[in-house]
Amino acid sequence: SQQGEEDPQALSIQEGENATMNCSYKTSINNLQWYRQNSGRGLVHLILIRSNEREKHSGRLRVTLDTSKKSSSLLITASRAADTASYFCATDATGANSKLTFGKGITLSVRP
Amino acid sequence: NAGVMQNPRHLVRRRGQEARLRCSPMKGHSHVYWYRQLPEEGLKFMVYLQKENIIDESGMPKERFSAEFPKEGPSILRIQQVVRGDSAAYFCASSEAAAQYFGPGTRLLVL
Repeated sequence: SQQGEEDPQALSIQEGENATMNCSYKTSINNLQWYRQNSGRGLVHLILIRSNEREKHSGRLRVTLDTSKKSSSLLITASRAADTASYFCATDATGANSKLTFGKGITLSVRP
Repeated sequence: NAGVMQNPRHLVRRRGQEARLRCSPMKGHSHVYWYRQLPEEGLKFMVYLQKENIIDESGMPKERFSAEFPKEGPSILRIQQVVRGDSAAYFCASSEAAAQYFGPGTRLLVL
């Protein structure tokens, strides 16, 4: 399995519900980033969490990081139809200005 | 402040032709990364450059692919003698610290 694996692979929820997506990784990291990608479009940077941080918030987004379990979760509260997209976690192992390793992504569908 | 810009957005080439993909980083960013995304997959790192230097090309195929980031002008990813397997979306990202910001991508189709 690869660094930065997300689960579930696909998630379908009703508008207004919360969506929780998980990411696991194998090697030590410096930072973990979450991105959103709408179909056929580029990636939008959502949030970065450093290895010495445990939780971070940005609007309706909440990210947690557990370095002992090598896992992270992205919570989207009060989901909207516009949140429908693929979500990727990406890790960098050697600090700033280094390559990112991506998982295969989670497809989130929010039903209106 | 314009984001990362890539052109062209779509590129069609016949087998054996050359493909040139351009990337202009965000203003103030001096680090550029290229990634490739196959359908239904995540992004795979190809190469990391700073001005006039290739820092990490561990993800770049050994043949036919090259990248540069000259002192003036955009970063260029060049694919020579394209084959059908090169069809993919190619994304460029730039950074000045840890967070990488992505461009809209170039979708390459090889006929």
